[in-house]
This record gives sequence, C-alpha cells and structure tokens, in this order.
Amino acid sequence: EVQVVESGGGLVQPGGSLKLSCAASGFTFSGSTVHWVRQASGKGLEWVGRVRGKANNYATVYAASVKGRFTISRDDSKNTAYLQMSSLKTEDTAVYYCTRSNSGDSFDYWGQGTLVTVSS
Amino acid sequence: QSALTQPASVSASPGQSITISCTGTSSDVGGYNSVSWYQQHPAKAPKLMIYDVNNRPSGISDRFSGSKSGNAASLTISGLQAEDEADYYCSSYTSTYTVVFGTGTKVTVL
Repeated sequence: EVQVVESGGGLVQPGGSLKLSCAASGFTFSGSTVHWVRQASGKGLEWVGRVRGKANNYATVYAASVKGRFTISRDDSKNTAYLQMSSLKTEDTAVYYCTRSNSGDSFDYWGQGTLVTVSS
Repeated sequence: QSALTQPASVSASPGQSITISCTGTSSDVGGYNSVSWYQQHPAKAPKLMIYDVNNRPSGISDRFSGSKSGNAASLTISGLQAEDEADYYCSSYTSTYTVVFGTGTKVTVL
C-alpha cells in the first residue's frame, strides 16, 4: 500500500523557519521525483518545487515565490524528503502537500497535507 | 509564471457532459504534452485523473477524457455523476523547468 505522510507543520512567526518532512512507502522512492505543492485556505494549488533522484544529481527547482527562501532535500535511505522553509511570510500560510512524479510531471501519489500558519 | 486560466465554475445535470478549459501559453501548455488534470474533494488531497494530455491512470473511469489544441487543454466529463462534484485543476510543465497549476474549476452537479 502506498503511503505518503507529511509532518512538521505548525504555527511560526513571520521571519521564522520551519522544516517539513515527507515519509513515503509502498513505491520506489529513490526513483521518484518529489514535489511540494501548497494550498492556502479557499485558494487553488500552487507548485512549490521539486527534487529529482540520484540519477539526476538530486537537482532542485523552485517556484519564484519561494526561491532563495525554501530548500528541498531528500534522504533515500530513509525514504523521506524535506522542505526547509526560512524567512517565512504570512502569505506562506497554507496546507503543504508532498507528492511524487514517476515520469513526466504528473503527480500520482499525494500525502494528506500538513498545515503551516505564519502569524504573529 | 502565471497560473493557467480555467473557468471558475461549471454546472450540469446528472448524465450530461461538461468540458473544462485550461488556457496557457506556448511556454507551458502549448509547448509540451505534459498537461495533467486533478480532482479535489473538500478537505481532501488532489487526485490524478489525466496525465500527458489524454492518458488515464489505472482505476480512473473512461468518463474522463483529455485533449489539447494549441495553448489550451480540456477535460471532458461525460455521464456526469453526483460524485464528480469537486474542484478540478489542470497543470503543465513549463519552459523554466517548473510546473504551473490552473486557477481551478468548481464543478456542480445540479
């Protein structure tokens, strides 16, 4: 059974940092590209960024809205990916989903999401 | 990268067909056969319905179909059912190696 579980969400002050984790099982994690997607309350989906696998040198790409503030990494030995968020802004408040693409850029497995609230 | 443009809402009666459009540019939808469609019910994670313009993942009903022409893609749902009521999002790979989502469409089954 495929499982994707995000954790680490919570309340953080503007300018603060937070690190989310994404634990996966039930599929070949090391061969997958891991993406983070977020959704503010009542709003649409926003792609945050992705990290490719070892075969592609763990290459990362980020959305312009988070570039320079967010870092995506992975530990294939733990089947886990991470989203390190810093210099957080109130507009970063959202549910953050971890998802994966196998080939191409379609996302077939999703976690349940973890809520990040940036507020003073 | 601007979000792809979708109609805010579409509604129809059970058994009817609907089509949701997704308009982008030559730098995303028009430039790649990498358009996907997702269904999202309230408080749930998105679910992949169509990938690579017109392919259905295993387990997805053939009532769902996708197409593309130029810079616009479309999702058609035929034989509309009550459980199809949800938000739908398109997405596309882009020329800057990123992914962009559509603005989202709320489908209402009357």
